[in-house]
Amino acid sequence: DQQVKQNSPSLSVQEGRISILNCDYTNSMFDYFLWYKKYPAEGPTFLISISSIKDKNEDGRFTVFLNKSAKHLSLHIVPSQPGDSAVYFCAVNNAGKSTFGDGTTLTVKP
Amino acid sequence: DGGITQSPKYLFRKEGQNVTLSCEQNLNHDAMYWYRQDPGQGLRLIYYSQIVNDFQKGDIAEGYSVSREKKESFPLTVTSAQKNPTAFYLCASSISRDPQNIQYFGAGTRLSVL
Repeated sequence: DQQVKQNSPSLSVQEGRISILNCDYTNSMFDYFLWYKKYPAEGPTFLISISSIKDKNEDGRFTVFLNKSAKHLSLHIVPSQPGDSAVYFCAVNNAGKSTFGDGTTLTVKP
Repeated sequence: DGGITQSPKYLFRKEGQNVTLSCEQNLNHDAMYWYRQDPGQGLRLIYYSQIVNDFQKGDIAEGYSVSREKKESFPLTVTSAQKNPTAFYLCASSISRDPQNIQYFGAGTRLSVL
């Protein structure tokens, strides 16, 4: 039973527009939710996180929204840039252990 | 320049052979992790260690072994019992007391079977 799902394997957007990446989870006990970004042949790097007690966290062009009632997490990137093209993983934390989604490949076209 | 170093970048395994993937960190992190990534899939946890001389199985530990004799090092051995070892292997570390458990990853080792 997959605890974290990213239902869209890929997303393509035009430069300057908004990118919205989605993540659904099953366990309401998760305390932190994170997004990582991964370029080919590299390890993921931490991007942004949100605590379960908040519903929004913003860092520059990146905003993460948490809807606890729907068990849904989303990452908004605006404006999108070609350098944002990468695989994005959501991760959920419980008691110091992380579970990752399958990732969404974002392509930002110039 | 702090970070996590994985070696080698590419590794080939023959049938029946054990191979060891190296992971070294100089971030002074207590916790270290090994993940496996298959094409189109997320990261699946193989083993993790919260402290020296202690480690726990993750979700897919069968066919793998680890050791944590030093804080800086967490090598992963892919044994001959792992029948489908071809994958991208990622090592990570984190601060144990960080409730967010932000993990810092190495560049990975790509293992293939000859």
